[in-house]
Amino acid sequence: DGGITQSPKYLFRKEGQNVTLSCEQNLNHDAMYWYRQDPGQGLRLIYYSQIVNDFQKGDIAEGYSVSREKKESFPLTVTSAQKNPTAFYLCASRQGPGGEAFFGQGTRLTVV
Amino acid sequence: AQKVTQAQTEISVVEKEDVTLDCVYETRDTTYYLFWYKQPPSGELVFLIRRNSFDEQNEISGRYSWNFQKSTSSFNFTITASQVVDSAVYFCALSEASGNYGQNFVFGPGTRLSVLP
Repeated sequence: DGGITQSPKYLFRKEGQNVTLSCEQNLNHDAMYWYRQDPGQGLRLIYYSQIVNDFQKGDIAEGYSVSREKKESFPLTVTSAQKNPTAFYLCASRQGPGGEAFFGQGTRLTVV
Repeated sequence: AQKVTQAQTEISVVEKEDVTLDCVYETRDTTYYLFWYKQPPSGELVFLIRRNSFDEQNEISGRYSWNFQKSTSSFNFTITASQVVDSAVYFCALSEASGNYGQNFVFGPGTRLSVLP
């Protein structure tokens, strides 16, 4: 089955730690995205990538980093520089301007 | 720059009522795409519909219908005879065809729909 997989579903981070959220797709999509969603809020774009080895900052990139070494994979690292990382993180992929975005099931990150 | 507005932050209806979710967009492109997504409590966004800027036909799918009006830059979503399972957050999105399509993809703030039994 084609789709987009995020892992883990739940993640706990200690203060000062970096953590990496995984996002894999087997849809052969060029574009991939990371969004952050806080409780009761909408989606905020962290990073996006339209092609391998290239990615662009979104609206709230500070404290986050990404890589796109393979077309299928777009991992997000939440660094210790992100002061308030507790949130729900969604990864998506799409193909072309008319393509609908496919979303993963999300990762809920909590700082303990 | 492109923008999507969903003025209704939260809506509550009683089961079997009809409800319309509003979406107003802004774009300078002549070619663009509009989308609706549903986010149930589980969190994953589910794609509902896509409409391109050259197709103003309204669409009906079961209890769902969409009204696209370029003259008012609106793409409204109506649920007929709402059910409790329709309770979710609904997002409208816009994708412009020109330029960097990865960048030119924006979501509205969402409307939280609660359908009460």
